[in-house]
Amino acid sequence: QVQLQESGPGLVKPSETLSLTCSVSGASISSNYWSWIRQPPGKGLEWIGCISDTGKPNYSPSLKSRVAISVDTSMNHFFLTLRSVTAADTAVYYCARYPAGLRWLDRWGQGALVTVSS
Amino acid sequence: DIQMTQSPSSLSAFVGDRVTITCRASQGIGNSLAWYQQKPGKAPNLLLYDASRLESGVPSSFSGSGSGTDYALTISSLRPEDSATYYCQQYYSVPLTFGAGTKVEIK
Repeated sequence: QVQLQESGPGLVKPSETLSLTCSVSGASISSNYWSWIRQPPGKGLEWIGCISDTGKPNYSPSLKSRVAISVDTSMNHFFLTLRSVTAADTAVYYCARYPAGLRWLDRWGQGALVTVSS
Repeated sequence: DIQMTQSPSSLSAFVGDRVTITCRASQGIGNSLAWYQQKPGKAPNLLLYDASRLESGVPSSFSGSGSGTDYALTISSLRPEDSATYYCQQYYSVPLTFGAGTKVEIK
């Protein structure tokens, strides 16, 4: 079955760059759209952006100036980079799959807590 | 951006009760709506998509309805394991947006 797993540093200093990897198994990165979503502690879900089956990214306007999503098809991974982080970027970061274009999300990773603190 | 307004923000009900959560979009979204269930410390789990289509493996006690700007998630008979937070999400336009969530507790 399709499984996703986030990995990366759990602590990032303010003004530095947050980098996460999503490792996908059971499905080809080139066959679906993929997304990053985050959830600040005790709060709701926020869509960060996505990358298409052809590698085209699409970002939330509120984060567009700081975010990049990319893919490594050879490793079946995709990545999140968020620059110039502040405490407001502290959240659980989820990677997830769209099974049918940019619509609903049917498979999610377990989530990775990233804390921004000096 | 399309704003999604969920209500209520929380509710408490007895096992066996019928529970309804609503989600209102700031503009028409043409049934491009999904519902998720999230339990503490876990990732969200897809319940329904296209407003009323049940995801495989989800109990038939969950149902969805609505059109235009107004949508609802109904649990026909609440079970203890349904205690969770529920989110709606529109995919009519980018950026995709979520409602703020409804926390369902068991009395």
